[in-house]
Amino acid sequence: AQSVTQLGSHVSVSEGALVLLRCNYSSSVPPYLFWYVQYPNQGLQLLLKYTSAATLVKGINGFEAEFKKSETSFHLTKPSAHMSDAAEYFCAVSEKRQLTFGSGTQLTVLP
Amino acid sequence: ETGVTQSPTHLIKTRGQQVTLRCSSQSGHNTVSWYQQALGQGPQFIFQYYREEENGRGNFPPRFSGLQFPNYSSELNVNALELDDSALYLCASSKAGEPGETQYFGPGTRLLVL
Repeated sequence: AQSVTQLGSHVSVSEGALVLLRCNYSSSVPPYLFWYVQYPNQGLQLLLKYTSAATLVKGINGFEAEFKKSETSFHLTKPSAHMSDAAEYFCAVSEKRQLTFGSGTQLTVLP
Repeated sequence: ETGVTQSPTHLIKTRGQQVTLRCSSQSGHNTVSWYQQALGQGPQFIFQYYREEENGRGNFPPRFSGLQFPNYSSELNVNALELDDSALYLCASSKAGEPGETQYFGPGTRLLVL
């Protein structure tokens, strides 16, 4: 079975600083990978997805992620954090049409 | 384009009762998946419906059941509610055959079991 590990359950950055949220996956086949964001008391919103077309994937709100097969990683980055980025972020891998999620990373943006 | 909708938004039940949650899929989507998200955790896959049949199931007991209707909407039924069933229940829709079959989520139904 596939699995996802998100390192760091809580990450704090200053407004304007680089955001780096880490995700490692285990998969026996080339994976489909996703990042979702969840704001308080809301559902999940798709940020971006990797479907093997390109290793650097650009998403909404200035986020991007790079697929590194050798490191089995799919880390999420944003060059400059904004207060509105404060939320919980989930990395997920797709297997047999179902998503397996990591435990999430809560991002706090400090003024 | 209408997104995924879920009803109700909140629900309070007592242990042993039964509950039905509803989901309308996004326009053009034919597959519905249900997830349970306990407080402070990532969503856990319950099951998926495609062509009105269950098409994959996670590690949930049979008292969790579902339906998909011809218009691709879906229901999640939970019998004999337990305290640990308190969670946010998320529905997601997708289009079978699309690369990666990206799932788009609704706002969720928050269930509290007392």
